[in-house]
Amino acid sequence: GDSVTQMEGPVTLSEEAFLTINCTYTATGYPSLFWYVQYPGEGLQLLLKATKADDKGSNKGFEATYRKETTSFHLEKGSVQVSDSAVYFCALSVGFQKLVFGTGTRLLVSP
Amino acid sequence: DVKVTQSSRYLVKRTGEKVFLECVQDMDHENMFWYRQDPGLGLRLIYFSYDVKMKEKGDIPEGYSVSREKKERFSLILESASTNQTSMYLCATQGSNEKLFFGSGTQLSVL
Repeated sequence: GDSVTQMEGPVTLSEEAFLTINCTYTATGYPSLFWYVQYPGEGLQLLLKATKADDKGSNKGFEATYRKETTSFHLEKGSVQVSDSAVYFCALSVGFQKLVFGTGTRLLVSP
Repeated sequence: DVKVTQSSRYLVKRTGEKVFLECVQDMDHENMFWYRQDPGLGLRLIYFSYDVKMKEKGDIPEGYSVSREKKERFSLILESASTNQTSMYLCATQGSNEKLFFGSGTQLSVL
């Protein structure tokens, strides 16, 4: 079945460090890929998405490239801030109505 | 902006009680979802609905039911709450571009 695997956290970084959170997927068909972020005490919100191979999604300094050959969608940011501390979820969708989420990766950024 | 409102932020119930979790959206979206979020397990889909009075089981429907009498309201029902249903419950709606909009969640404790 369809599944998403992302690195376990927490990921602990100092402010201005480079961030990578790994995400790989298994899917039948051609999925859309997403990164959602959950700030403390809030629901999830969409951070970025990519709908086909080699697409790059970007938002708020975060980027992720849809790599079909490695079935990956790694999240990156060049310089993290304390305000980026949150839980990040990778997800895929094959058609409407059902997203499959990874287990989430907690990011902690210290000043 | 889409608003998804969950009726309670924290809820404490006793084993065997019938529990209602309410979710209301203001964007006329057809698709609505209930997830539960548990540490190390990520988000798991309980039920979803693609129209009034229509519902589909997700990955973990056992012990739950749902009701969608009006388009804007999607209720999750625990017929007889058990301790293993202690969790964070997240409601979401889906826009036309597959994007999910989440409520801020209900943390349910079953004692």
